[in-house]
Amino acid sequence: TQLLEQSPQFLSIQEGENLTVYCNSSSVFSSLQWYRQEPGEGPVLLVTVVTGGEVKKLKRLTFQFGDARKDSSLHITAAQPGDTGLYLCAGAGSNYQLIWGAGTKLIIKP
Amino acid sequence: EAQVTQNPRYLITVTGKKLTVTCSQNMNHEYMSWYRQDPGLGLRQIYYSMNVEVTDKGDVPEGYKVSRKEKRNFPLILESPSPNQTSLYFCASSLSFRGDGNQPQHFGDGTRLSIL
Repeated sequence: TQLLEQSPQFLSIQEGENLTVYCNSSSVFSSLQWYRQEPGEGPVLLVTVVTGGEVKKLKRLTFQFGDARKDSSLHITAAQPGDTGLYLCAGAGSNYQLIWGAGTKLIIKP
Repeated sequence: EAQVTQNPRYLITVTGKKLTVTCSQNMNHEYMSWYRQDPGLGLRQIYYSMNVEVTDKGDVPEGYKVSRKEKRNFPLILESPSPNQTSLYFCASSLSFRGDGNQPQHFGDGTRLSIL
């Protein structure tokens, strides 16, 4: 069974600080997606990483796919209250399914 | 506007009373799926559909049924709901599901079900 472990489960920091969220597995994924979910809404795709070692930037968010395509990280620079939300990673597994991490709940305090 | 629409958004009902949660997408997507989201467990797939008349079980299919008679609709049916099916449910669609999974999933806004 393929699993994705996200850490930390919960993170509360002050505005302006940096943070990193991790998504780890013992399995290899052909691609990995990061989503953000806000209360009362469904998850919304932030980025897809496909190539081992790939780095993608989305303004203050930096996403990295591990060289072996088993892990990924999301780094936020100078976090802002608008970054608050639940961050989910999802890896493309077998049998036409996405394997989801349990999520990291992020709170950025003004 | 491209969207996935779920109804109802909220439902409180009793054990054993059949219910259906509807899901409709207007993007001509082939792939649709249902998830439940529980605290600490993340998103768990219930059923998915690769195309019309093609459905398959996800990780937690017990107690649920689905159908895909039209491309745009993918209803979730609970024939005899039980309290352990109290959860937040999401419908999602994507253009297709290629082998690399490299397609964004578009989610509805969720349906919060409470089974008493």
